[in-house]
Amino acid sequence: NAGVTQTPKFQVLKTGQSMTLQCAQDMNHEYMSWYRQDPGMGLRLIHYSVGAGITDQGEVPNGYNVSRSTTEDFPLRLLSAAPSQTSVYFCASSLTGGRLDPYNSPLHFGNGTRLTVT
Amino acid sequence: EDQVTQSPEALRLQEGESSSLNCSYTVSGLRGLFWYRQDPGKGPEFLFTLYSAGEEKEKERLKATLTKKESFLHITAPKPEDSATYLCAVQEYSGGGADGLTFGKGTHLIIQP
Repeated sequence: NAGVTQTPKFQVLKTGQSMTLQCAQDMNHEYMSWYRQDPGMGLRLIHYSVGAGITDQGEVPNGYNVSRSTTEDFPLRLLSAAPSQTSVYFCASSLTGGRLDPYNSPLHFGNGTRLTVT
Repeated sequence: EDQVTQSPEALRLQEGESSSLNCSYTVSGLRGLFWYRQDPGKGPEFLFTLYSAGEEKEKERLKATLTKKESFLHITAPKPEDSATYLCAVQEYSGGGADGLTFGKGTHLIIQP
């Protein structure tokens, strides 16, 4: 049982480059989300999706795009990398989720992508 | 102002020395409070969900409790393998993050043999 799989584990980009962080889950979860984790700060929500074809912005969406064409995959695209995007990125999924979720499903996290932008 | 505050930021204990971690929150309507454990280089791992004041949940050496303003994670006779960062998150009916979930900054726990 793989759970939530993120690739790559490490990435170094130059300012202005673009890239896609991959996230896949095999638990048939409807809800998926992307967080960034920076020293001294809590996990901050970038984008989330309550189901295939539906995405919405979190607290820190600028500079990032997402799409959800399948239930399993939720890639995060950095459009033009900036040093401020140096961070550890986590993808998470849950059976259901979002503000209207009546079940309070806990999140299952991947092991993260450590991104450095120089 | 932080809606979810965890204390202490860091805690060093001797093996077998019991203690508690605190998660205080200021929300208008609590739907649920989650505790996660995060090991270095890994993603957070779910531990507990608490829903209402007075509720308690246990798992091995860990017990989580909830009041109307805070939650405690009690660690009894800890072992070195309990060393990790413990995260608290609050799910709200309204307010909070875009999806209603707000994480605290975590408590970094070190258990020395």
